[in-house]
Amino acid sequence: RKEVEQDPGPFNVPEGATVAFNCTYSNSASQSFFWYRQDCRKEPKLLMSVYSSGNEDGRFTAQLNRASQYISLLIRDSKLSDSATYLCVVNTPGGSYIPTFGRGTSLIVHP
Amino acid sequence: GAGVSQSPSNKVTEKGKDVELRCDPISGHTALYWYRQRLGQGLEFLIYFQGNSAPDKSGLPSDRFSAERTGESVSTLTIQRTQQEDSAVYLCASSLVDGGLEPQHFGDGTRLSIL
Repeated sequence: RKEVEQDPGPFNVPEGATVAFNCTYSNSASQSFFWYRQDCRKEPKLLMSVYSSGNEDGRFTAQLNRASQYISLLIRDSKLSDSATYLCVVNTPGGSYIPTFGRGTSLIVHP
Repeated sequence: GAGVSQSPSNKVTEKGKDVELRCDPISGHTALYWYRQRLGQGLEFLIYFQGNSAPDKSGLPSDRFSAERTGESVSTLTIQRTQQEDSAVYLCASSLVDGGLEPQHFGDGTRLSIL
């Protein structure tokens, strides 16, 4: 099993739709989690951290389920500008603190 | 600006040449990472620096790749005797502290093309 897994998609949704992505991780000792957004031919940009209690930033909601070892990202009222690849990042304590990136989930929002 | 700065933005070179890529992390960030991203692929970890500790080089694909960082400042990634398979975007990221509790901030990347 890969350390961090994401459905590559693409998720193709109309404007205004609600869409959710999951990201599963294999190491129960993983400690911190983030969602990044990457536009085509651009660098990843931090979208939001994922807190144990769940957190919301405008139309975006992130949640952590430690029991089932996954994080989720919910986007409400999708905009055309939300079209991008969404990467999850998982940090696990160890000898060297190297974050593990998922391969990303592609979202396409159409008119 | 206050972000991670990488140079050059683009580099085109002939197979067999050496290239040097530069990364200026955000001031005060102790952790610095290099990644490679081939077209349509995910991020591939290359090397990690944390303060004055020995770097984690476990992701370097071959001995043609090396990187240096002096203290908590600029880092350079060197690729010797470039091959066409080295063509990719090379991304640098920095984070405030070790421990992974702080997110990484990425530079714009260097797009490397080997002819």
